[in-house]
Amino acid sequence: QVQLVQSGAEVKKPGASVKVSCKASGYTFTNHYIHWVRQAPGEGLEWMGIINPSGGSTSYAQKLQGRVTMTRDTSTSTVYMELSSLRSEDTAVYYCARDPGYSYGRSFDPWGQGTLVTVSS
Amino acid sequence: EIVLTQSPGTLSLSPGERATLSCRASQSVSSSYLAWYQQKPGQAPRLLIYGASSRATGIPDRFSGSGSGTDFTLTISRLEPEDFAVYYCQQYGSSWTFGQGTKVEIE
Repeated sequence: QVQLVQSGAEVKKPGASVKVSCKASGYTFTNHYIHWVRQAPGEGLEWMGIINPSGGSTSYAQKLQGRVTMTRDTSTSTVYMELSSLRSEDTAVYYCARDPGYSYGRSFDPWGQGTLVTVSS
Repeated sequence: EIVLTQSPGTLSLSPGERATLSCRASQSVSSSYLAWYQQKPGQAPRLLIYGASSRATGIPDRFSGSGSGTDFTLTISRLEPEDFAVYYCQQYGSSWTFGQGTKVEIE
């Protein structure tokens, strides 16, 4: 079955960077885009950006431009999301999610289990 | 950026009742690109509806979606105990955005 498995929780200091991984299985990795979405404690969902695992092209939310970088490793079917210059407002659960394509309305399915990133001094 | 506004913020209902959730867009959204998700505490969101009205794989038929343009609705015909959760709408246009969510709680 299609599955996305993310790396474990992280605790970082303000100003540091964090890199979260998302390993895909159960489908052809290069056939589907991957999104990153975050959710601050008690808040809603915020789209961060998207990567095309085939060519590596990316598109980021304007709010995060310059601080977020998404990459992929096709040899391990893994995508990465790196967020730099961390501040307390970046404390959130970070999710990766597969884009099933235009036939499914460019929705998000399935989702990874989430990775809690805590930014604290 | 298209802003999605969900209402109500919280819906207090009893099992067996009908739930009607609204999602209003700041500008027209193609019906092909409007989705709904369910999220339970401590879990990742789960896709319920895509293309405004198509149920995702394995989703019970008590969940239905409708609407077009700027007004979309998720209906749960008869609430089961496992349906009490937070629901989000999401659109794709030039980018992706989510509504702020509607919590369906037990009255």
